[in-house]
Amino acid sequence: DADVTQTPRNRITKTGKRIMLECSQTKGHDRMYWYRQDPGLGLRLIYYSFDVKDINKGEISDGYSVSRQAQAKFSLSLESAIPNQTALYFCATSAPGQGQNEKLFFGSGTQLSVL
Amino acid sequence: AQSVTQPDIHITVSEGASLELRCNYSYGATPYLFWYVQSPGQGLQLLLKYFSGDTLVQGIKGFEAEFKRSQSSFNLRKPSVHWSDAAEYFCAVGANPGGTSYGKLTFGQGTILTVHP
Repeated sequence: DADVTQTPRNRITKTGKRIMLECSQTKGHDRMYWYRQDPGLGLRLIYYSFDVKDINKGEISDGYSVSRQAQAKFSLSLESAIPNQTALYFCATSAPGQGQNEKLFFGSGTQLSVL
Repeated sequence: AQSVTQPDIHITVSEGASLELRCNYSYGATPYLFWYVQSPGQGLQLLLKYFSGDTLVQGIKGFEAEFKRSQSSFNLRKPSVHWSDAAEYFCAVGANPGGTSYGKLTFGQGTILTVHP
């Protein structure tokens, strides 16, 4: 089983619908992140959480919200989806305190299409 | 604000040929630099990272990268490319990993590598 699991893998929705993307991890990491990937733009940080009680906005948080239900779960919501939110979304985790050995672990991504 | 530029959107090489992918960054302090690879339908995998010390960094799968402060570059190289190296490659810059901002990476636009047999 994957260490960082994203559900669903693919989702098609309509403009104005509320949608939730889920991420769970078995790595025991405190830090979790949501990134979106757009062709030609690379990955951009949406939200990040360093523990259950710590939620922070990233570079492009407008139109998104998150919930850290537990150490292992971090959900991303689009309250009212719009077509320019069509993208590949990645969840990632990392563990603090490991210095140069710290790195991000990515899920396989959720492809979201908003029609 | 930090930024990363990967000048080449798409590179094609023959199997067995050498490879260099370019990355230029902008950051106000000492950067922490990374190369990630993304295979089709997969998440990103870390190839290598530079935090400090030796400016030539060795990574997995035979890749290496050289940090050149004077040129603000962190180019990725491989002496002999294999067909399995075909993927998209991302350069990224991050803040001080000892602080609270490690995972807040700024990624480049990506370079798609095609390998001809």
